[in-house]
Amino acid sequence: DQQVKQNSPSLSVQEGRISILNCDYTNSMFDYFLWYKKYPAEGPTFLISISSIKDKNEDGRFTVFLNKSAKHLSLHIVPSQPGDSAVYFCAASNPNAGKSTFGDGTTLTVKP
Amino acid sequence: DTEVTQTPKHLVMGMTNKKSLKCEQHMGHRAMYWYKQKAKKPPELMFVYSYEKLSINESVPSRFSPECPNSSLLNLHLHALQPEDSALYLCASSPSGTKLVGSPLHFGNGTRLTVT
Repeated sequence: DQQVKQNSPSLSVQEGRISILNCDYTNSMFDYFLWYKKYPAEGPTFLISISSIKDKNEDGRFTVFLNKSAKHLSLHIVPSQPGDSAVYFCAASNPNAGKSTFGDGTTLTVKP
Repeated sequence: DTEVTQTPKHLVMGMTNKKSLKCEQHMGHRAMYWYKQKAKKPPELMFVYSYEKLSINESVPSRFSPECPNSSLLNLHLHALQPEDSALYLCASSPSGTKLVGSPLHFGNGTRLTVT
């Protein structure tokens, strides 16, 4: 039972345009959601997070939106830059389990 | 540069070998994690240490043995591994133990393990 799903394995956008990465979850106990970015041959790095009591969090070019009723979150990158090309993982935290669950990741390619 | 340092970067070992992976952080974080990542898959949690005590073992086979000698160090001892254990092994830390599950994980760059 995959509790966190990223249904798009890959996404390609033009430089300067918006990138939208999506994530769905099934466990209503998740109370915190995080996005990580991973370059080849490196570990994931934290990008942005959102608490379940909020519906939006913004940090520079990155905005995460949370729709609790739909159990859906999205990461918006505006404007997209070639350096944003990486694998993006959505993760959800369950306080009862004391751990985070990761989605399968979406590979973003930003074309110059 | 990552603040979580993992050594070695690459490791090739036979099925009868014993080896260890090492992880070090000096951020004062009190939770440390081992993850395993296969190609095109998400990181898969193996172990969690919180305040130097093992708090989560995700039913990992006993051929993997974690150790937390102190709050800055985390080891993963490997013995009698199988070829299917070949993967990227990631260490991570977070600030205040697993209670603050919203705290971001700080990952190292991993050890690429190949079992022959």
